[in-house]
Amino acid sequence: AQSVAQPEDQVNVAEGNPLTVKCTYSVSGNPYLFWYVQYPNRGLQFLLKYITGDNLVKGSYGFEAEFNKSQTSFHLKKPSALVSDSALYFCAVRTGGSYIPTFGRGTSLIVHP
Amino acid sequence: NAGVTQTPKFQVLKTGQSMTLQCAQDMNHEYMSWYRQDPGMGLRLIHYSVGAGITDQGEVPNGYNVSRSTTEDFPLRLLSAAPSQTSVYFCASSLTGGSAEQYFGPGTRLTVT
Repeated sequence: AQSVAQPEDQVNVAEGNPLTVKCTYSVSGNPYLFWYVQYPNRGLQFLLKYITGDNLVKGSYGFEAEFNKSQTSFHLKKPSALVSDSALYFCAVRTGGSYIPTFGRGTSLIVHP
Repeated sequence: NAGVTQTPKFQVLKTGQSMTLQCAQDMNHEYMSWYRQDPGMGLRLIHYSVGAGITDQGEVPNGYNVSRSTTEDFPLRLLSAAPSQTSVYFCASSLTGGSAEQYFGPGTRLTVT
């Protein structure tokens, strides 16, 4: 079985400060890890993914994520937060043998001016 | 490409009524799925399909039916609406490989009174 945990329901950060949204996972086998963003009243949008190789993955809107196999984590980061980054962020995991991704419960990111 | 489209955007039903939520994609994706999103519950998988003629149940299938007669379309049918089915419904599609990201539709907000 595969699972994803997003330990924080909400993250607050001041504009211009770095942000981190945490994600840990549990799978059998090698994971494929994803981050999605959901703006109010919209569907989820793909941000970035880790498949293999470099542990630091860069994605859309200046976001990046670091894959840490020993800690089974895939935290989302951005060096300087914008108010427009305020949204709901979902981490997801898939494996090569499963069509079905498992999503975390989501973390609400609030960036204060 | 239009991506993943969903209709209608909003719907109000009375208890016991039936309806079909439409979903279509133009990316030739084999994998399609339906989720419901409720506050504090994250995304819950209702049904999914790995190709035309193949469907399977997800985490919360009761009260819903699906069919997949073409690669493009994956409608979700509510057989007899109940207030517990008040939710936002998202359709998603992707290639079938585990490393493939999902593309989400804009959602249908359903209220059952």
